Amino acid sequence: SQTIHQWPATLVQPVGSPLSLECTVEGTSNPNLYWYRQAAGRGLQLLFYSVGIGQISSEVPQNLSASRPQDRQFILSSKKLLLSDSGFYLCAWKVSGNTIYFGEGSWLTVV
Amino acid sequence: AQSVTQLDSHVSVSEGTPVLLRCNYSSSYSPSLFWYVQHPNKGLQLLLKYTSAATLVKGINGFEAEFKKSETSFHLTKPSAHMSDAAEYFCVVSDLPGGGADGLTFGKGTHLIIQP
Repeated sequence: SQTIHQWPATLVQPVGSPLSLECTVEGTSNPNLYWYRQAAGRGLQLLFYSVGIGQISSEVPQNLSASRPQDRQFILSSKKLLLSDSGFYLCAWKVSGNTIYFGEGSWLTVV
Repeated sequence: AQSVTQLDSHVSVSEGTPVLLRCNYSSSYSPSLFWYVQHPNKGLQLLLKYTSAATLVKGINGFEAEFKKSETSFHLTKPSAHMSDAAEYFCVVSDLPGGGADGLTFGKGTHLIIQP
């Protein structure tokens, strides 16, 4: 069966520091991969998606970037965090059809 | 274009009583519809999905939802609430068969509170 792992689960970082959140999917090949952000009390916002290695599409302009160095690995990064980057970040995947499956999420607090 | 409206931001019920979480959608095509549940500090878990088969869809944990095209609704129900059902619930619509972008539109969520 397919599983998705996302880490770290929680992170407290100072303003201006770098960020790296990592996500890996197991049990499937060539998935579409996604990064979402969920701000407190709000819905989900799609940040990035990828249909293959090295292929990244950005949905909103921001201080973050994404990379896909391997088929089942998706990384969310920032060179310098802002206070507004705080939130709950979710990695997700899908293969055929349109059902998306989510990871457990990563809480980022920028202080 | 597609949109989703979850009609209640908060719903409070007593344990053992029925649950009704309301969702209305709009879509230019034949949509797929989903309900996800999110427990505190956790990811979203798929409860159930409608993809143009039976209009009454059964999901996990005793939840079910009925697709009503004439009413453009996809309400989530459960006959008897359990304390463990307390969570945030998201209604989601997709009118894309696939593709790169997620093709999803999320509702803003309904917070379900279970009173003992």
